[in-house]
Amino acid sequence: KAGVTQTPRYLIKTRGQQVTLSCSPISGHRSVSWYQQTPGQGLQFLFEYFSETQRNKGNFPGRFSGRQFSNSRSEMNVSTLELGDSALYLCASSGAGGRETQYFGPGTRLLVL
Amino acid sequence: QKEVEQNSGPLSVPEGAIASLNCTYSDRGSQSFFWYRQYSGKSPELIMSIYSNGDKEDGRFTAQLNKASQYVSLLIRDSQPSDSATYLCAVAGSSNTGKLIFGQGTTLQVKP
Repeated sequence: KAGVTQTPRYLIKTRGQQVTLSCSPISGHRSVSWYQQTPGQGLQFLFEYFSETQRNKGNFPGRFSGRQFSNSRSEMNVSTLELGDSALYLCASSGAGGRETQYFGPGTRLLVL
Repeated sequence: QKEVEQNSGPLSVPEGAIASLNCTYSDRGSQSFFWYRQYSGKSPELIMSIYSNGDKEDGRFTAQLNKASQYVSLLIRDSQPSDSATYLCAVAGSSNTGKLIFGQGTTLQVKP
């Protein structure tokens, strides 16, 4: 089976812009979770989608949003980018979410200038 | 108190030795526990999952879980230089959603 894919892999934006990141889960997986990884804060949970519904959300401002499509592909959007949004954004998929094992994609590295 | 705690290291062991990585968690209702390995510049890669008290072995890796003590560990036998990486402990909390809570990670250095 193909693994989790994420596009784009690298992105450079300026403050105030917005960005959309995409994630395609492993075939058959219905749950997609998003995480932000920074050197200072480590890996932090953003949100999880299952069957097109957001089931859980982490402690991030409303500038961070996401959605999931009927084919389980997911996108996350960050509006009004700030310098502190520079990070590695990771998505992970699992069969049904919950307590199942999550498999990570390669990540999208975002640099905000 | 952090929800998932790990010693950041670095933990340095000689090649061939046993590396022992530890993790504690605060949510007593947690049911699922995972160890991921992350090489610099790469994404986390699953090593082991464990759900029940006791030991679970997979090749050179053994995960140990003690829910009463809220403690999970990972042993790496016959450590190799290629094992040098950051090891992340992740816990799925008591809510039945796809939220993993990660520790800060322990950096392991295996010296030839």
